[in-house]
Amino acid sequence: EAQVTQNPRYLITVTGKKLTVTCSQNMNHEYMSWYRQDPGLGLRQIYYSMNVEVTDKGDVPEGYKVSRKEKRNFPLILESPSPNQTSLYFCASSFGTGDAHFTEAFFGQGTRLTVV
Amino acid sequence: AQKITQTQPGMFVQEKEAVTLDCTYDTSDQSYGLFWYKQPSSGEMIFLIYQGSYDEQNATEGRYSLNFQKARKSANLVISASQLGDSAMYFCAMRDRDSNYQLIWGAGTKLIIKP
Repeated sequence: EAQVTQNPRYLITVTGKKLTVTCSQNMNHEYMSWYRQDPGLGLRQIYYSMNVEVTDKGDVPEGYKVSRKEKRNFPLILESPSPNQTSLYFCASSFGTGDAHFTEAFFGQGTRLTVV
Repeated sequence: AQKITQTQPGMFVQEKEAVTLDCTYDTSDQSYGLFWYKQPSSGEMIFLIYQGSYDEQNATEGRYSLNFQKARKSANLVISASQLGDSAMYFCAMRDRDSNYQLIWGAGTKLIIKP
């Protein structure tokens, strides 16, 4: 089954304790992204990657890191989480060459993170 | 700068009626794609429909259709014969080359279908 898998689905952590949210896709997509969703603000892009070893900042990259060492995985790292990073996080992937850029993004199930 | 505007924060619609959710976009790129996603209360993001900037016909997918008016830069979602299960948040989004194909999102419309 074609899917994007995020883990964990729910996480409660304390301020300053490093954490990683994993994201993996099995569709051989080049393009992967991380978003956060906050009430009233819609989805905001944190980072995106157009291919292996290529990552770029989105609109809200502060406090986050990513890596793309292999095509299928795109983990999101919070080195020192703070309460303002409490949010719903989504990973997404899509085809990423030429006109295939204009195809839908497939989303993971989301990770609800609470930082206390 | 690229922007998506959804002017309806919330809507109530009677079951079985048609509903139109508004979306306007702003881009200087000639090549772009427009998307609608549904987010039910369970939280997952569900792709509904896509319209390309060069598509001459409005996109349709089952009960969903997209009213694409290029000159007005609008891409409204039409849901025919609404059902209780259509109650959800609906997001309009856009990709274009100038933004490196990032998905730019509107703030969403919360749709509630009344029985």
